[in-house]
Amino acid sequence: EADIYQTPRYLVIGTGKKITLECSQTMGHDKMYWYQQDPGMELHLIHYSYGVNSTEKGDLSSESTVSRIRTEHFPLTLESARPSHTSQYLCASRPTTRGDEQFFGPGTRLTVL
Amino acid sequence: KNEVEQSPQNLTAQEGEFITINCSYSVGISALHWLQQHPGGGIVSLFMLSSGKKKHGRLIATINIQEKHSSLHITASHPRDSAVYICAAGNTDKLIFGTGTRLQVFP
Repeated sequence: EADIYQTPRYLVIGTGKKITLECSQTMGHDKMYWYQQDPGMELHLIHYSYGVNSTEKGDLSSESTVSRIRTEHFPLTLESARPSHTSQYLCASRPTTRGDEQFFGPGTRLTVL
Repeated sequence: KNEVEQSPQNLTAQEGEFITINCSYSVGISALHWLQQHPGGGIVSLFMLSSGKKKHGRLIATINIQEKHSSLHITASHPRDSAVYICAAGNTDKLIFGTGTRLQVFP
């Protein structure tokens, strides 16, 4: 079982609020990813990181930002939430040296009113 | 046209039936992943394969690199297999996901 955690699991918040979605993994993985998934749709990569102080934008444009100050922690921040940000956000990680398998967190389901 | 396509989109089965979910992709890949997503949203990695066939319990995944096609089979299906099954193809760092196949297995 993968040790990758996301908090909160569910969040309902008003427009304009700043929010941070937390993702932590205890496996020492260098590579971490954030995906966005709208209901019934495929996952899209919005951010990824190769290691500490490394962050890159993914294929899907996102107004969110990320940081990677510690290996185990990869938080995602929305400075001003909007209803269009309502979605599920999934965090994943993978080791650099042991193949391509990604381990996924349980996800955060965000609703912006 | 999506770079990763799955069929069928929805699938219902009676307990005990043999199930096949198909995935076709048009991108170059280093590996093909099969994932399972339960109603709560969390995703579990079932298989990662780059050639041939893998088996885990009642689940079997196959891939044909030349035809760019993979299948996920479930033998003796059970209601607890009900979930969305997602195919993802990609290179070392990035995955492209299919929209998933929603499977419901009834007792």
